Amino acid sequence: EAGVAQSPRYKIIEKRQSVAFWCNPISGHATLYWYQQILGQGPKLLIQFQNNGVVDDSQLPKDRFSAERLKGVDSTLKIQPAKLEDSAVYLCASSLDRGSGNEQFFGPGTRLTVL
Amino acid sequence: AQSVTQLDSQVPVFEEAPVELRCNYSSSVSVYLFWYVQYPNQGLQLLLKYLSGSTLVKGINGFEAEFNKSQTSFHLRKPSVHISDTAEYFCAVTPTHSGAGSYQLTFGKGTKLSVIP
Repeated sequence: EAGVAQSPRYKIIEKRQSVAFWCNPISGHATLYWYQQILGQGPKLLIQFQNNGVVDDSQLPKDRFSAERLKGVDSTLKIQPAKLEDSAVYLCASSLDRGSGNEQFFGPGTRLTVL
Repeated sequence: AQSVTQLDSQVPVFEEAPVELRCNYSSSVSVYLFWYVQYPNQGLQLLLKYLSGSTLVKGINGFEAEFNKSQTSFHLRKPSVHISDTAEYFCAVTPTHSGAGSYQLTFGKGTKLSVIP
């Protein structure tokens, strides 16, 4: 089965510019997650969707970050405007359902560099 | 809230030697535990998980981990490492029950395993 797809793989922008990342989860997976992984740290959850509804966005900096999963399938994460500290790898993951025993499958990530 | 501490940021080990990567966690509720591996420029891949039952869990690529509730630890071990095991390893936890419906994974900072030929 196809894995979690993400694009682009790499992005370089200047501070105050905007950027968007796209994720297509594994077919049939109801739960989708966006994580931010800063160099030298473990991934940190930004937002979790169950179908097209938000379950948890408590760690999403809502003044600059937004995310949507309009049709309950693919998702877009946007940063506007970007800051230097947003430089990180943005990982998308999906799971069959939101129960804690469900394995999360990760995409390859998008590496963002903000200059 | 949960937290995960990976005690070693880097572990060098010779090929065919055994290795142990240490993980301790803190939580006020029951948790499930996971180990993920991340190869360069790739996403995370699940190595193994502890949900219930036997405290010794076997995973892919010859790895195993032992859950110790009294010491709140979940150390990862492999009896003989290979060059291809060079990667970063992340320990993670998630609550077994969540009233708010969020089962987010809380990750440690990772341990870089370098296998020396």
